[in-house]
This record gives sequence, C-alpha cells and structure tokens, in this order.
Amino acid sequence: GDSVTQMEGPVTLSEEAFLTINCTYTATGYPSLFWYVQYPGEGLQLLLKATKADDKGSNKGFEATYRKETTSFHLEKGSVQVSDSAVYFCALRSGGTSYGKLTFGQGTILTVHP
Amino acid sequence: SQTIHQWPATLVQPVGSPLSLECTVEGTSNPNLYWYRQAAGRGLQLLFYSVGIGQISSEVPQNLSASRPQDRQFILSSKKLLLSDSGFYLCAWMAGEQTSPLHFGNGTRLTVT
Repeated sequence: GDSVTQMEGPVTLSEEAFLTINCTYTATGYPSLFWYVQYPGEGLQLLLKATKADDKGSNKGFEATYRKETTSFHLEKGSVQVSDSAVYFCALRSGGTSYGKLTFGQGTILTVHP
Repeated sequence: SQTIHQWPATLVQPVGSPLSLECTVEGTSNPNLYWYRQAAGRGLQLLFYSVGIGQISSEVPQNLSASRPQDRQFILSSKKLLLSDSGFYLCAWMAGEQTSPLHFGNGTRLTVT
C-alpha cells in the first residue's frame, strides 16, 4: 500500500539557518505530492504541491522537487524564521481511483530560535 | 471563495456519551469530504470519506460513524464514546480534480474523560 516516510524530528534551528526535511514515499502509479504545515491548535494548511516528476512546488520561500527516481519530495528553505515553527507533513495521493484520499507522513516538528 | 467550518472547536465528553461533530463547506458544489483523526498531535488517520450525498466509505473499523445529509455537510457521530476516541478531528474537502489539494478546517479537540 501507499506510505510516506518523513525524517524524525524534532528539528531545532537558529533563525536564518537552512532547512531540509526529508520525505520519501511508496505508491502505485504516478502520485501527486504535497507538503502541509500545521501551527499549534490549528488545522493543516497547504504549503506546496507537485503533480508530476521533476515538478518543483514553491511557496513562501519553501521548495520541494518531485524526484521519481529516488521517490522523494524533500522540503527546503534557505533561511528560516521564528514564524516557521510548526509541524510539517508530507502527503501523497496515488494515481488512479483514490477518491482524493491523502496518505500522510508522521509529521516533523520544527522549532526555530531567534 | 470557498470556506470550511468545523464545530465545536473543543469538546470534553464523558465515556459512554454520544458525539456529533459537524462540518460544512461553502462556495463549492459536490465536494469530496473527509474526516481525519490526529492522535498524539502527530500523524493523521483517515476515518471516512464521501464523494456524494449519502455515500460514505469507512477506512478503519471503529466506534464512529459518518453521515452526509446534504451536499456540503458532513457529520461525525458516535453513540457511546470510548477513552480511545480522544484526539484532534479534522474535516477536509476537495474539488473534483485528481491533483487538487485537500483543504482542512480548524479541527475539533475532543477529550473523553
């Protein structure tokens, strides 16, 4: 079945540091890939997405590239801010008849210190 | 624009009591609707999804049920809550396109005591 594996957290960084959160996946067909962010006590917000191989999703300084050969979708940001502190989820939707369902990774807690 | 409303935001219920959580979507027609549960503040588990009125699919056997009485209304219910039903419940919707993202509500924090 489909699965998403994220790097174990928590990740603690200083402001302006470079961020990488690793995400690898197992899926049938050609999945669509997503990154979501969750701030404390809130629901999930879409951060970025990519729907085919070699696509790069980007938003608010975050980027992730859909790598089919390595089945990966790592999240990166060149310079993090304290306001980026949150939980980040990688997710996939399988190609074919999936009824839109998303499979999520376990989430990675990011804490950014001033 | 489309919006999703979920209520209540927090709920404390005793074991054995009933449950009803409601979710409504505005600004779109015939959305796919989903209920997820987030336990221990981390991973999300899909509980139910619906592709149309009265059409409910369950992903995991459990103490909960879902209903979709109207196109943009999705309800999560239980007749008798268990301690293990505690968690953060999230409703989400999606437009019909396969590459569309899910859009989440703000969630309901349920504590069963």
